Amino acid sequence: DAKTTQPPSMDCAEGRAANLPCNHSTISGNEYVYWYRQIHSQGPQYIIHGLKNNETNEMASLIITEDRKSSTLILPHATLRDTAVYYCIVRVAVRAYSGAGSYQLTFGKGTKLSVIP
Amino acid sequence: DTEVTQTPKHLVMGMTNKKSLKCEQHMGHRAMYWYKQKAKKPPELMFVYSYEKLSINESVPSRFSPECPNSSLLNLHLHALQPEDSALYLCASSRWQGETQYFGPGTRLLVL
Repeated sequence: DAKTTQPPSMDCAEGRAANLPCNHSTISGNEYVYWYRQIHSQGPQYIIHGLKNNETNEMASLIITEDRKSSTLILPHATLRDTAVYYCIVRVAVRAYSGAGSYQLTFGKGTKLSVIP
Repeated sequence: DTEVTQTPKHLVMGMTNKKSLKCEQHMGHRAMYWYKQKAKKPPELMFVYSYEKLSINESVPSRFSPECPNSSLLNLHLHALQPEDSALYLCASSRWQGETQYFGPGTRLLVL
């Protein structure tokens, strides 16, 4: 099961910052938070990930609270092309067939972001 | 370059047909993944290959048979599918299992 909770939908005015919240209250100390987005009928697109510190790249910023129980993805200047479903994912540890430890992404329901002209 | 390619883009098949989906990446990634996505639902993991060996099978029915002939290529062989198997099938790859995954555009499958 996904370890994250996101609002099902949000609207954002074009040109404004889009702030997408995510709760992950059961996250463990070594589990990363990943964000992907999926534009209609396309494959998911990687956006950003982080462990403890805030992260920024050319697409977005990721703000993780000090207790790591929640995070916010920020798209600084939303455009119509940012309309998509945004998935917040906690990467969890799993056991592979070989017995070796590994990690897995389990997608939750995501937030449908609509950017309004 | 973070490109994963998938062919075909669309596939229609009958319940008695045998078909294959193909996924390719040339990023030197050693882990590859198959996901299934039903309409208005999130992607669900099916299989993971690591260094060309099956690492994880999420209890997928045997009518889906994965194959990893080399480090760049991942196939999904389909046989005797049911209409409820109609979905978007997504392939992804990562440097190693558990690292950031990069997805292909998917194959949209319709089983009649």
